[in-house]
This record gives sequence, C-alpha cells and structure tokens, in this order.
Amino acid sequence: DIVLTQSPLSLPVTLGQPASISCRSSQSLVYSDGNTYLSWFQQRPGQSPRRLIYKVSNWDSGVPDRFSGSGSGTDFTLKISRVEAEDVGVYYCMQGTRWPYAFGQGTKLEIK
Amino acid sequence: EVQLVESGGGLVQPGRSLRLACTASGFTFGDYAMSWVRQAPGKGLEWVGFIRNKAYGGTTEYAASVKGRFTISRDESKSIAYLQMNSLKTEDTAVYYCSRGYGGSYWGQGTLVTVSS
Repeated sequence: DIVLTQSPLSLPVTLGQPASISCRSSQSLVYSDGNTYLSWFQQRPGQSPRRLIYKVSNWDSGVPDRFSGSGSGTDFTLKISRVEAEDVGVYYCMQGTRWPYAFGQGTKLEIK
Repeated sequence: EVQLVESGGGLVQPGRSLRLACTASGFTFGDYAMSWVRQAPGKGLEWVGFIRNKAYGGTTEYAASVKGRFTISRDESKSIAYLQMNSLKTEDTAVYYCSRGYGGSYWGQGTLVTVSS
C-alpha cells in the first residue's frame, strides 16, 4: 500500500507570512494514464474536508490563489503565499492513484 | 447546487449493524462514483471505500479494515448511496462522510457513528 508522509505535523505561522507543507509518497503517484492523482484538502475546525487542489496543481472552484500545489512523482508541496486567519485548520494530502487510496497524517496550521 | 446529506448515524452496540445513507441532489447521480471516508474522534481521515457508477460497472472497493463487514450500494432512482455496516467494532466509531467521486470537491456534513456497549 502507498503511504503518504506529511511534514511538518504542526505549523505555527504568523499572519501574512508564507507556509509550506510537504507530502512524500512511498511510491510514484503517476497513473497509467499519465496523470498524478494527488490532492490537498483543508479541514477547518468542526467542518467537513474541503478539497483545495487536485492532480497536484489544479485549483478547485472558489479556492484563493494564495494556495498553490506543486511536485511530481513522490514529492509534493502545498504552499500558502500569505496566511490568513481563515486558513487555520488541518491540511491533508491524498493519493487517488492506486487503491487503497490514502490520506497523509495531516498538518495542523495555527496562527502564532 | 450540489448537496450531499448523510443520515443514519447513532449509538450502536458492538457486533450490531447500522446502515448509513447519503442523499444526493443538484447533479446527475448516475454520472459519478460515490465514496465514503471516516474520521475517528480527534484523528485523521481514513478511506472506507467507494462504488463506481454504472458506466464503470457499479463495482466497489473497500479498505482492508472494513472488507467483509461493510457494503456500499447505490439506488439510482433515489440518488442515494448506502453504507451497510455489519459486525461493528468499537474502532469503527467515527464521523462518516460521503463524497462525490473519489474524494472530490463535494462532501457531506458527516454523520457520527458511536459503537459502544
């Protein structure tokens, strides 16, 4: 099974500063169709998960452009250019390339 | 507007069964796979499984932790996806979310299942 390892697990950030979360996969996430099914989710306190990014770097509708995704193969990154108060929550990467699909452990972003 | 509403959660004793429903609206239900993801209290997200749409055979996949105990089905006429949970264990206690597609952009609000004697 594919294992996703996120770092850091805790991310204190000052408002207006950038933030970056790493997601490393135990295997390549490139599917046979050439796509890489790596997504990023945000879960605010008390809310359902919300997908921010799909296929590594594509924004879901309504996602602010301060969020960006990058990476390839086994190494991926979610970046927030300037953290805002509403960004507090837990961020998960998820692979949908090979079953069983899997989430990373989650990274808790808090405001310093 | 796309909406997914889970229902059927509650308190159940170990070894008993429960059926969750995910009622969909605002989109053509038959065009999409439907997934179930759960989250134990204070823990991360865990895949339960999914059911493909009819065009892809309506087949299912399950996580190893629930295979043989849980069954996902769908009723196209009612736009509902079901999660039948049998032989429940205390470790199945979680909020259960349904999602359109394979962990896509639409999720329900979740329904809490508590397995306890």
